[in-house]
Amino acid sequence: QVQLVESGGGVVQPGRSLRLSCAASGFTFSSYGMHWVRQAPGKGLEWVAVISYDGSNKYYADSVKGRFTISRDNSKNTLYLQMNSLRAEDTAVYYCAKDQAWEVGATTDGGFDYWGQGTLVTVSS
Amino acid sequence: DIQMTQSPSSLSASVGDRVTITCRASQGISNYLAWYQQKPGKVPKLLIYAASTLQSGVPSRFSGSGSGTDFTLTISSLQPEDVATYYCQKYNSAPPTFGPGTKVDIK
Repeated sequence: QVQLVESGGGVVQPGRSLRLSCAASGFTFSSYGMHWVRQAPGKGLEWVAVISYDGSNKYYADSVKGRFTISRDNSKNTLYLQMNSLRAEDTAVYYCAKDQAWEVGATTDGGFDYWGQGTLVTVSS
Repeated sequence: DIQMTQSPSSLSASVGDRVTITCRASQGISNYLAWYQQKPGKVPKLLIYAASTLQSGVPSRFSGSGSGTDFTLTISSLQPEDVATYYCQKYNSAPPTFGPGTKVDIK
């Protein structure tokens, strides 16, 4: 069965860095786009970043552009999110999610069909 | 970027009621629209994609419709286990923006 397991969350001071990982199993990881989505405490879902199936295309939310970097290692079935210059407003549960397509907009048969359990990132001094 | 809005922001209905949630895109997105359910303390779950295609395993009381800029999610007979926040999402291009959510509870 499909599993997505995030790790790397924790408490970090403002301005510092953190790297999240998402280990995937149960599907052909290299065939699908992958996303990071976050949810601040008591708030709605905020899409953060996407990487296409082969890593050739990446897009970011304006709120993280220039600070966060998404990457993937298809040989290790792992997705990453490098988060630099962290701010208090980055505090959230971070989910990795599998796209039904190889990249956003490629097909109407899209959407995020599997989600990890999430990892909490708290940015506080 | 295309903005997504939802209405109402919350609703309270009785068990067995028909519930309708509306989602609107600021520009046309054809049928590149998904609906998610997030129960309290749980991970979001894909309910519907391509505006009206039910994800495998989702009860048939859920249905979606619409195209272009206006979309609806309908629960034909509300059940206690449907208490959740529902989000729409457009995915015709990046960014795949979510709507602000509609919280549904039982009256």
